[in-house]
Amino acid sequence: AQSVTQPDIHITVSEGASLELRCNYSYGATPYLFWYVQSPGQGLQLLLKYFSGDTLVQGIKGFEAEFKRSQSSFNLRKPSVHWSDAAEYFCAVGADKLIFGTGTRLQVFP
Amino acid sequence: GAVVSQHPSWVICKSGTSVKIECRSLDFQATTMFWYRQFPKQSLMLMATSNEGSKATYEQGVEKDKFLINHASLTLSTLTVTSAHPEDSSFYICSARKMENYNSPLHFGNGTRLTVT
Repeated sequence: AQSVTQPDIHITVSEGASLELRCNYSYGATPYLFWYVQSPGQGLQLLLKYFSGDTLVQGIKGFEAEFKRSQSSFNLRKPSVHWSDAAEYFCAVGADKLIFGTGTRLQVFP
Repeated sequence: GAVVSQHPSWVICKSGTSVKIECRSLDFQATTMFWYRQFPKQSLMLMATSNEGSKATYEQGVEKDKFLINHASLTLSTLTVTSAHPEDSSFYICSARKMENYNSPLHFGNGTRLTVT
């Protein structure tokens, strides 16, 4: 069955600290992988996507993610978090229809 | 960049009434749009795939007679929640793809918060 797991429901970091949000997937074929960010009461904004090629993907707002096929993972990283990064982050897999993980809520302390 | 507009952004209605939510692709054509539902502090669940000029495809467990979808043009899909009940209160989000191409990512609207009293 196709699924996405985000093991961390809630993460708190200090501003300026590094960040890694975990995502594991189960997908029958070569996956298309996405990370989206959602601010409260808002829709989703695409941070980055992986379709093929270089397994390290650069996105907007200084985010990057690395596709590791052997680990079925697509973790999101940022070297230095800003207070404005506080939001809900969703990992998703799929081609036409997307399957979303349950999300990770990021809190940033000054 | 590609913009998807949803209207209204929030709506409160009485139990038993119907509510229509619009999803528009403002600067591109979308033959396919998707409707998601998100309960508080939960993930997005795909409800249905809206196809321009044809019937929508509903996910398992979604009542097609309750959630009517119309995709009358290449830039507009509507979701009508018929005879709404309090359990239908949720955050509804639509998305659209620029082309029939998996390399084109989905663009999401800002969502509609429905509260049924």
